[in-house]
Amino acid sequence: QKEVEQDPGPLSVPEGAIVSLNCTYSNSAFQYFMWYRQYSRKGPELLMYTYSSGNKEDGRFTAQVDKSSKYISLFIRDSQPSDSATYLCAMSASTNAGKSTFGDGTTLTVKP
Amino acid sequence: GAVVSQHPSRVICKSGTSVKIECRSLDFQATTMFWYRQFPKQSLMLMATSNEGSKATYEQGVEKDKFLINHASLTLSTLTVTSAHPEDSSFYICSATLRFRGRVDPEAFFGQGTRLTVV
Repeated sequence: QKEVEQDPGPLSVPEGAIVSLNCTYSNSAFQYFMWYRQYSRKGPELLMYTYSSGNKEDGRFTAQVDKSSKYISLFIRDSQPSDSATYLCAMSASTNAGKSTFGDGTTLTVKP
Repeated sequence: GAVVSQHPSRVICKSGTSVKIECRSLDFQATTMFWYRQFPKQSLMLMATSNEGSKATYEQGVEKDKFLINHASLTLSTLTVTSAHPEDSSFYICSATLRFRGRVDPEAFFGQGTRLTVV
């Protein structure tokens, strides 16, 4: 079993929809939770970064962490065609911050 | 955010030759850099962790003699794929993390990636 599980999709939504992306994990040592966006043939770029449990909002993006359930989510409001990409969750333990474990990524397509 | 530049973005080489990929942190000092390999529609697979001035730490199953990593300065790490074979064809990505007030932040800043094709 992988340490981080992420539904690969693909996920297709109409423009303006609310998108929910999720990951589950098994390692209770994870303290840092990141979401990256990766366009085709490009390196990932950091979208959100959360420490421990709670919510964090940045514009149209909201990250949620529920450590009791070992479940994290990324919500995208008012989705745009430019949001079409692969979204990767990543997690890191506090004792070795910087060496993250990545999910396999969810491919999202937002149709105009 | 911090900028990491990776070069070249794409390279095609003949089987048996060596290829060097550079990863530079442009506006910060990266004490640690990571090298990943990514297969189509799959996630990032960590190959090695590179610390400035010391030998790289390789993940299990990664041949250190085949994937040579050098981290000679706080802004540059290189990955050399030696005696490349078609099965080495992949997307290679580097990342760097920041050290601030003695603490390493877990967020990583990625290079643009290098598409290696060995023919």
